[in-house]
Formats: sequence, structure tokens, C-alpha cells
Amino acid sequence: DAKTTQPNSMESNEEEPVHLPCNHSTISGTDYIHWYRQLPSQGPEYVIHGLTSNVNNRMASLAIAEDRKSSTLILHRATLRDAAVYYCIYLTSGSRLTFGEGTQLTVNP
Amino acid sequence: KAGVTQTPRYLIKTRGQQVTLSCSPISGHRSVSWYQQTPGQGLQFLFEYFSETQRNKGNFPGRFSGRQFSNSRSEMNVSTLELGDSALYLCASSSGQTNSPLHFGNGTRLTVT
Repeated sequence: DAKTTQPNSMESNEEEPVHLPCNHSTISGTDYIHWYRQLPSQGPEYVIHGLTSNVNNRMASLAIAEDRKSSTLILHRATLRDAAVYYCIYLTSGSRLTFGEGTQLTVNP
Repeated sequence: KAGVTQTPRYLIKTRGQQVTLSCSPISGHRSVSWYQQTPGQGLQFLFEYFSETQRNKGNFPGRFSGRQFSNSRSEMNVSTLELGDSALYLCASSSGQTNSPLHFGNGTRLTVT
């Protein structure tokens, strides 16, 4: 199973940037890195995904290390609504999709 | 586009009973996967269906089964319920390509008493 490592929790202040790290040392060259987040009482929500170069969308940015063994999800200006558990995952063809424990992000007003 | 719909939203069953959960994917999506989420174990993969065929399976006992219909809607069945089956059951749909994003429903909260 594809395995990632994330900090259990992180804290940020409202309107400040947040950098959520993820290690994925066993990733292969063709696996995309995906990020999801889960708010209480809801299913996970897709945030962003990428392969090699940095990616941006309306929700966040994804910075991928040159060796692809780690990545960072960047929330440019955290809001209270961004408080959630953030999951970093990748799926190797033929393997079972595995979500780790994720990072619980707390945003302080 | 309508999102992924799971029914029912909440369910209470007693030990030994069986239960069927339903998932309607986003229109056009051919892959549906199922997950069990508990506080202790996190989010665990149950199985994935693509074009009515089970394509991948997690490490769950045979009491957990599923199927997918020609319109891509999927059902999950759990027989002989145990207390430990109490969990949030989530389904996700995607186009089915390996790296395509997953779109999750809000889950069915199953309580076994």
C-alpha cells in the first residue's frame, strides 16, 4: 500500500499562510500526489493534485519537491473554514488506496 | 453537476442483521469505491468497482460485499453485523483513471447495537 507521512496536527492564525508538509518517499515516477480535506460530519473533499511541477487552483497551491519524495500544500490565507483534517495520498496502480491519519489543522481567529 | 449521493444518511441496526447502503456517483463517473472510517482505524479502503466489475479489494472479511449496476450506481452490503462495524461508510466516484481525483459523498453513519 502506498504510504505517506504527515504531522498529526498544525495550527495557524486566520489570514496567515499555512504550509502542510507530506513525505512520500516510496512514490514512483508516474504517481500523482493528491490532497483531500475533511470537515466534521462530511466526506473528504478533493483539494488539489499534481505530478512534478507546482500546481495552483482556487483552493490551494501544491509544491512538489524536485525528487518527488515530499510535497507541501499551501493555503495562502487561512480562514476559519479551512479548519479540517488534511490528507495527502497517492495511488500506485494495482494497490489499495490508503489514507493515513492526516493533519488536523486548527485555525485561530 | 450533482455530487455523490449516499443513502441513507443514518442507520441503526442490531447485531446479526444485515444492511445495504447505496451510492449514486457523479454523472459520467464509472468508478465507485467504498471506505470505512472509524476513530481508531481512520479511513480504510473496502473495494472499488469499475464498469460493474470489482477492480480492487481491501482487507475486509467476506461479510462486506458490493456491486455496481449498469448506470454506475453502487450498493454495499454488510451481513451478520457486529458491534465493530459501527462506522461512517463513505463512497467516492471518479472517472476511473488511476490518477483522477475522487469525489466523496457525505457518508452513511451506521450504528450497530
